[in-house]
Amino acid sequence: QQQVKQSPQSLIVQKGGISIINCAYENTAFDYFPWYQQFPGKGPALLIAIRPDVSEKKEGRFTISFNKSAKQFSLHIMDSQPGDSATYFCAARGYNFNKFYFGSGTKLNVKP
Amino acid sequence: DSGVTQTPKHLITATGQRVTLRCSPRSGDLSVYWYQQSLDQGLQFLIQYYNGEERAKGNILERFSAQQFPDLHSELNLSSLELGDSALYFCASSGGGGAQETQYFGPGTRLLVL
Repeated sequence: QQQVKQSPQSLIVQKGGISIINCAYENTAFDYFPWYQQFPGKGPALLIAIRPDVSEKKEGRFTISFNKSAKQFSLHIMDSQPGDSATYFCAARGYNFNKFYFGSGTKLNVKP
Repeated sequence: DSGVTQTPKHLITATGQRVTLRCSPRSGDLSVYWYQQSLDQGLQFLIQYYNGEERAKGNILERFSAQQFPDLHSELNLSSLELGDSALYFCASSGGGGAQETQYFGPGTRLLVL
């Protein structure tokens, strides 16, 4: 049973465009929602994270929108750049034991 | 640099063999997680340790085992290896206090089973 569902699987965006990746979860006990960025051959790196008592968090060109009632959250990358081309994973933390559940990943390709 | 170290970086072995992957968490982190990532696949959670004790188990095969030592480093043992075990294995750590909820990933060990 997949705890966190992520879409789309892949995404192609033109340079300067907006990239949007969506995630949905079922477990209302999740209390922390990070996004990770992974370049080929590297480990995932924390990009931005949000707690469910906040509806939006912005860091530079990256914004998380969080809809608690719909149990959905999304990552928006404004002014997308070729250097943003990577795989992005959403995740959710379970309240007990700090366990994290990851989405299946979105491969983003930003075309110059 | 996340502060999490993993050795070796690459590992090539044959089917039926046994290997050990090692992970050193960030200074002060008590939790260690192991993940498997096959080609173009997501992160599959294997197992979590917290301060030496097993805390959570994911889709870890019976041929795989792990432990966390008193100095908090962890080892993942993979035995009776099969071709399908070829993957990237990541270790992550968390639990250092203020950033407790954040997982920091190591660079991974790339395992190739021939």
